[in-house]
Amino acid sequence: QKEVEQNSGPLSVPEGAIASLNCTYSDRGSQSFFWYRQYSGKSPELIMSIYSNGDKEDGRFTAQLNKASQYVSLLIRDSQPSDSATYLCAVNDNAGGTSYGKLTFGQGTILTVHP
Amino acid sequence: NAGVMQNPRHLVRRRGQEARLRCSPMKGHSHVYWYRQLPEEGLKFMVYLQKENIIDESGMPKERFSAEFPKEGPSILRIQQVVRGDSAAYFCASSGRDGYTFGSGTRLTVV
Repeated sequence: QKEVEQNSGPLSVPEGAIASLNCTYSDRGSQSFFWYRQYSGKSPELIMSIYSNGDKEDGRFTAQLNKASQYVSLLIRDSQPSDSATYLCAVNDNAGGTSYGKLTFGQGTILTVHP
Repeated sequence: NAGVMQNPRHLVRRRGQEARLRCSPMKGHSHVYWYRQLPEEGLKFMVYLQKENIIDESGMPKERFSAEFPKEGPSILRIQQVVRGDSAAYFCASSGRDGYTFGSGTRLTVV
């Protein structure tokens, strides 16, 4: 049974701080890793994807992947109240860059950014 | 270019009735996935379909649930004889070369 684990939180950070979200996965065959943001009552929206070990930056977001430790994280710099949402980590068996196949999701981490 | 279209957005069924959830993938996408999300939980994979074929149904409950993606028309997730435990948000996604996109979901309530 492939598993993806996240701390459900809630994680509370002050506005302007760095929010750090963590995720571990059990299947060493996982190839592609995704972070989704989900506002209450809405569908998930993709914010970051990462396929290789190391860091990937996109604006205020940085994804970090360590395949040896089976660990992926998301850093949000200069957190804003609008970042308050549930963040879902997801993994896929397919090689990076492809967009096919099922995603295995963690249970999500609730992030609250307070003014 | 419309995204993934799901309908209805909200569906209320009495215990024992049938629920039919529809999903039209993005234009150009031929791969469809169904996920279920219980309150306060992450998304759980149910089934992966291509046109007229079920690729992976490892997440589907053994009874009462079925899915299809016919040559013409939307993908259908069918739940027979619904029970209160089926109450959840059901999300459809489609994928193609340009990525993976989720629909807005159908919120099923069984009363």
